[in-house]
Amino acid sequence: LAKTTQPISMDSYEGQEVNITCSHNNIATNDYITWYQQFPSQGPRFIIQGYKTKVTNEVASLFIPADRKSSTLSLPRVSLSDTAVYYCLVGALISSGSARQLTFGSGTQLTVLP
Amino acid sequence: DAGVIQSPRHEVTEMGQEVTLRCKPISGHNSLFWYRQTMMRGLELLIYFNNNVPIDDSGMPEDRFSAKMPNASFSTLKIQPSEPRDSAVYFCASSRQGRETQYFGPGTRLLVL
Repeated sequence: LAKTTQPISMDSYEGQEVNITCSHNNIATNDYITWYQQFPSQGPRFIIQGYKTKVTNEVASLFIPADRKSSTLSLPRVSLSDTAVYYCLVGALISSGSARQLTFGSGTQLTVLP
Repeated sequence: DAGVIQSPRHEVTEMGQEVTLRCKPISGHNSLFWYRQTMMRGLELLIYFNNNVPIDDSGMPEDRFSAKMPNASFSTLKIQPSEPRDSAVYFCASSRQGRETQYFGPGTRLLVL
């Protein structure tokens, strides 16, 4: 299983760029890297997913080095509403037969300060 | 679309009682996941269904836990008998394919006294 490691918490100020790194040393060839955001009393919400290099969407960028043993979620110009727990998820599912269990990281509590 | 629907949202029961959690995935999604979240263990995948068939139940903690998906629009997670250590938030999620974006429900907060 691709165990993941993330910082427990991070603080930032409004308008700054925030980078959260996830380590996944045992990532397998078929594994994808997905990041989720979770607010209190809600289910996690998808942010971004990637396999290698860089992926960008309207809310974030995901940087994955060539060895894929880590990944960095980048949130540009954060606001107070970005205060949440961010999870790194590594794994792959196969529709039949055996399947690798998805592994959520411990999550990073991001606090955005005014 | 209404999103993933879970019921009940809150459940308080006594040790030894049977608990049934329900989930309605997003229409058209063929993968369904049950997760448990606690402060101590974080988010844990319990079981994964694809096309209504359980594919990986290695995360189910013990025989007291069982999950079914009788059709594409309904799944249950049952705990019998329940114990205080089962207290947690249980999330159901669905996706079109196994590795694509998972959409989580609001969760069921279970308290076993």
